Amino acid sequence: KNEVEQSPQNLTAQEGEFITINCSYSVGISALHWLQQHPGGGIVSLFMLSSGKKKHGRLIATINIQEKHSSLHITASHPRDSAVYICAGSIIQGAQKLVFGQGTRLTINP
Amino acid sequence: DGGITQSPKYLFRKEGQNVTLSCEQNLNHDAMYWYRQDPGQGLRLIYYSQIVNDFQKGDIAEGYSVSREKKESFPLTVTSAQKNPTAFYLCASNPLGVDKNIQYFGAGTRLSVL
Repeated sequence: KNEVEQSPQNLTAQEGEFITINCSYSVGISALHWLQQHPGGGIVSLFMLSSGKKKHGRLIATINIQEKHSSLHITASHPRDSAVYICAGSIIQGAQKLVFGQGTRLTINP
Repeated sequence: DGGITQSPKYLFRKEGQNVTLSCEQNLNHDAMYWYRQDPGQGLRLIYYSQIVNDFQKGDIAEGYSVSREKKESFPLTVTSAQKNPTAFYLCASNPLGVDKNIQYFGAGTRLSVL
């Protein structure tokens, strides 16, 4: 069964702290997506990774293919980073299908 | 600007009623998807379509129907057979031709039962 597991489910931190969200996935997943969902519900794609590391502003995503593990890091966290962060694995069966983790609710307090 | 438009943002359904959620994209994407999100759960795939006039069931298709008459449009009908329709529904799309693609999401429709 294709699975994606995220941790922690909830994370509260103070402004400025370094944040790490973890994601483990099963065999059969060929790429890993990190998504951000704001309180209104809309989802934005942050990264798609199949190897190595990607950086965009204060966000960094890494993936270890051997260990089937990915992490999303936020440096110098800010209250506007508060959102639900979702990890999703790509499965290619004709069309691309995504298998989603449950999400991590991040709250950054000022 | 290119993107995915879902409407309405909020929708209420009466018992025994069918309702249709709209999803339109101007990204020229071939593949379109409908997901359902329930509190505390990951998104689950309802239906997807890779090409006009063709679509496949996802993991939770029972009680739903779709059509793909135009490339840019992929409406979802929640039928009276769906006994627990209250959820947040998200439409997504991505181009085909490359095996790993970012999916673009709409803003979602929140469906409630009256």
